[in-house]
Amino acid sequence: KAGVTQTPRYLIKTRGQQVTLSCSPISGHRSVSWYQQTPGQGLQFLFEYFSETQRNKGNFPGRFSGRQFSNSRSEMNVSTLELGDSALYLCASKAGSFSNTEAFFGQGTRLTVV
Amino acid sequence: TQLLEQSPQFLSIQEGENLTVYCNSSSVFSSLQWYRQEPGEGPVLLVTVVTGGEVKKLKRLTFQFGDARKDSSLHITAAQPGDTGLYLCAGDRRSPSGTYKYIFGTGTRLKVLA
Repeated sequence: KAGVTQTPRYLIKTRGQQVTLSCSPISGHRSVSWYQQTPGQGLQFLFEYFSETQRNKGNFPGRFSGRQFSNSRSEMNVSTLELGDSALYLCASKAGSFSNTEAFFGQGTRLTVV
Repeated sequence: TQLLEQSPQFLSIQEGENLTVYCNSSSVFSSLQWYRQEPGEGPVLLVTVVTGGEVKKLKRLTFQFGDARKDSSLHITAAQPGDTGLYLCAGDRRSPSGTYKYIFGTGTRLKVLA
């Protein structure tokens, strides 16, 4: 079955702009989590959506938001981009939003803010 | 506060050597996963350990879950250049609301020299 698909793979934006990233989870998976990965901070949890509801949120400013659609596809939006938002954004798909379930990752979207 | 600490942070070894990577926490995890990530790609799941004291083998990789389910280790025998990558442990952390947040360790960057 198809894996997790993230689009676009690469993106260059200017400071102050906003950006929307997309994630299609594995078919049948209802949980989608987003992570920001930078060399200095590692993998930082942004938020998790399950059945169109945000269930968990990390410690990121309100400029970072997301949503999930009825088909489990998820989008992440970052407004008023800052240089520090440059990172690899990863989406993870899980069958359920509970313990002991494994996460499967997409290839990520590399965002560069100039 | 980082809930999952990995050590060492960096490791550079010669092909054929053995190595061990550690993942430690002061908290109990119901399960832990190990991932390997290559540059510009998403993490790929290697294994899940669930039971305290559990040992799992995946070819030259041996994974162990601590008896108290607070720590885990990854041992690689006769490392090869293809083992080069970022190794991450991860687990579900129960939040005060009762939901689970999937968090990652600080990572161990391994380089195996031919």
